[in-house]
Amino acid sequence: DGGITQSPKYLFRKEGQNVTLSCEQNLNHDAMYWYRQDPGQGLRLIYYSQIVNDFQKGDIAEGYSVSREKKESFPLTVTSAQKNPTAFYLCASSTGTVSTQYFGPGTRLTVL
Amino acid sequence: SQQGEEDPQALSIQEGENATMNCSYKTSINNLQWYRQNSGRGLVHLILIRSNEREKHSGRLRVTLDTSKKSSSLLITASRAADTASYFCATYVNDMRFGAGTRLTVKP
Repeated sequence: DGGITQSPKYLFRKEGQNVTLSCEQNLNHDAMYWYRQDPGQGLRLIYYSQIVNDFQKGDIAEGYSVSREKKESFPLTVTSAQKNPTAFYLCASSTGTVSTQYFGPGTRLTVL
Repeated sequence: SQQGEEDPQALSIQEGENATMNCSYKTSINNLQWYRQNSGRGLVHLILIRSNEREKHSGRLRVTLDTSKKSSSLLITASRAADTASYFCATYVNDMRFGAGTRLTVKP
């Protein structure tokens, strides 16, 4: 089965903790993306990567970090510097930056 | 910042009726895409229309694009309760930008 997976589905974080959200794809896509979605809102771009070992900041990168060591994987770390991290996080991939994006099922992060 | 803005923000119709959602954007685009999101799920791609196309069909979906007005519309014909979801338009400029979405409710 080709697709894009995210784990965990639900994640709880205590204040001051860093947490890492996993995103894996087996679609052989070059580009990968992380979005944040708040209730009733659209998607805001956090980071994106067009090739391995390269990534660019989106609109709301502060308090987040990413890595792209493998084509299939694009993990997102929510650091303690992100003051309001409670949200729904979506990962996506595409063959190129103008192409259709394929989304994972999302991770819902809650700060306790 | 958002590029596309959907209108209306929310739409409630009866099963069997048609649903029309609009998207306006600000700058020249390469293509415009429509996505659907069921509650608590990831987005699913519905249709892509290129800047040199005016209309595109896919099953019960019809998308139009008017580049002179910088607007697009998504029409869902003969709606079903299963069409209840949020619908987003997305445009690519330097990166992909999504609007805030239209929440469609189809009542059985």
